[in-house]
Amino acid sequence: ETGVTQTPRHLVMGMTNKKSLKCEQHLGHNAMYWYKQSAKKPLELMFVYSLEERVENNSVPSRFSPECPNSSHLFLHLHTLQPEDSALYLCASSQEHASGGREQFFGPGTRLTVL
Amino acid sequence: AQSVAQPEDQVNVAEGNPLTVKCTYSVSGNPYLFWYVQYPNRGLQFLLKYITGDNLVKGSYGFEAEFNKSQTSFHLKKPSALVSDSALYFCAVRASSGGYQKVTFGTGTKLQVIP
Repeated sequence: ETGVTQTPRHLVMGMTNKKSLKCEQHLGHNAMYWYKQSAKKPLELMFVYSLEERVENNSVPSRFSPECPNSSHLFLHLHTLQPEDSALYLCASSQEHASGGREQFFGPGTRLTVL
Repeated sequence: AQSVAQPEDQVNVAEGNPLTVKCTYSVSGNPYLFWYVQYPNRGLQFLLKYITGDNLVKGSYGFEAEFNKSQTSFHLKKPSALVSDSALYFCAVRASSGGYQKVTFGTGTKLQVIP
């Protein structure tokens, strides 16, 4: 999956650690997304950046902090996480048009385990 | 508020038989509809979409879906299932208005193709 890459693929962290997830899209898209995918739960949209401006923030706890320095890169900064934050974190991108959006392209995800 | 329902958590089908994965939606105005597939330890992968035009949409790997406006449905179909089709399938909807519009995903349906 060279379109959208995510690093690291796996991350184990303690509750007091600070870490960051990185996403990069090589598709020239103008919108990027963070999703949380937990077992037995629906895909949860966390943040959306369109044209590098945050347009969606779905009541996500402040221990998750997104950053979008340019249209190709998206970060999710993590600090003082809880065990229930353990999940697969997916990044996606899409090309938004004035006439309507298009499909999203997903990265492989980061499997996060909080101890 | 828009929503997507995938009424079956799991669908089992014998290899070579036709398969159907059901999806119904609710959205203001005309919908954009999508199907994605997720293989284990991977991100979601786009399969097909309905934007406008022909109600029968053909996508990757021999999959197709039929948009039914009166029944607000967008069921995914394939004439002959393969064992390699076994995966998690997600239906998604967004409004057709221009600019950024939130995409809502269903809870996913696990497809098991039995050899």
